[in-house]
Amino acid sequence: GENVEQHPSTLSVQEGDSAVIKCTYSDSASNYFPWYKQELGKRPQLIIDIRSNVGEKKDQRIAVTLNKTAKHFSLHITETQPEDSAVYFCAASNTGNQFYFGTGTSLTVIP
Amino acid sequence: EADIYQTPRYLVIGTGKKITLECSQTMGHDKMYWYQQDPGMELHLIHYSYGVNSTEKGDLSSESTVSRIRTEHFPLTLESARPSHTSQYLCASSGITKDYGYTFGSGTRLTVV
Repeated sequence: GENVEQHPSTLSVQEGDSAVIKCTYSDSASNYFPWYKQELGKRPQLIIDIRSNVGEKKDQRIAVTLNKTAKHFSLHITETQPEDSAVYFCAASNTGNQFYFGTGTSLTVIP
Repeated sequence: EADIYQTPRYLVIGTGKKITLECSQTMGHDKMYWYQQDPGMELHLIHYSYGVNSTEKGDLSSESTVSRIRTEHFPLTLESARPSHTSQYLCASSGITKDYGYTFGSGTRLTVV
């Protein structure tokens, strides 16, 4: 089955700096890669996703890149703000049949 | 509004009690999932269902059971609660839409004393 690894497990950045979270996956059949943000005491919520036919996708301050050859994808947050502090999960899926989640990254943005 | 609902939000129960955590979705999704998550930690898949009368165990060994008699309803039952079951339980659903619509419920925080 699919194995998704996520790094780092914790990340602290100064407000205004960029944050990068990386994930690798093992199954070349995976073709959908979402990212979820979970704020303290709340449910994980989808913030951005990318499909295997696209190399990069951007939505305001967040972007995701995908390297199919190397089987890794990354979340980039620019101009970080305190409200970006949360746990972020990456996931990989093969056409939505099953979702495999990374172990999570706890991001702290220091004002 | 289409969403996924979990009840109760919080539950404190004594050891040995039988409990059922409720999960219902109005998303029209065919797939539903249960995760166990300690605060801010990894999501552990404990059960999933791809449709009515279809249930499977996930990666994390669990002493719970599930049923899927109706498409929108996926309850989780613990026959005999133990302190080791203290955790947060998240229900999720997904369907055949543009982004599969993978949506989590707000969770049930269970404490077994």
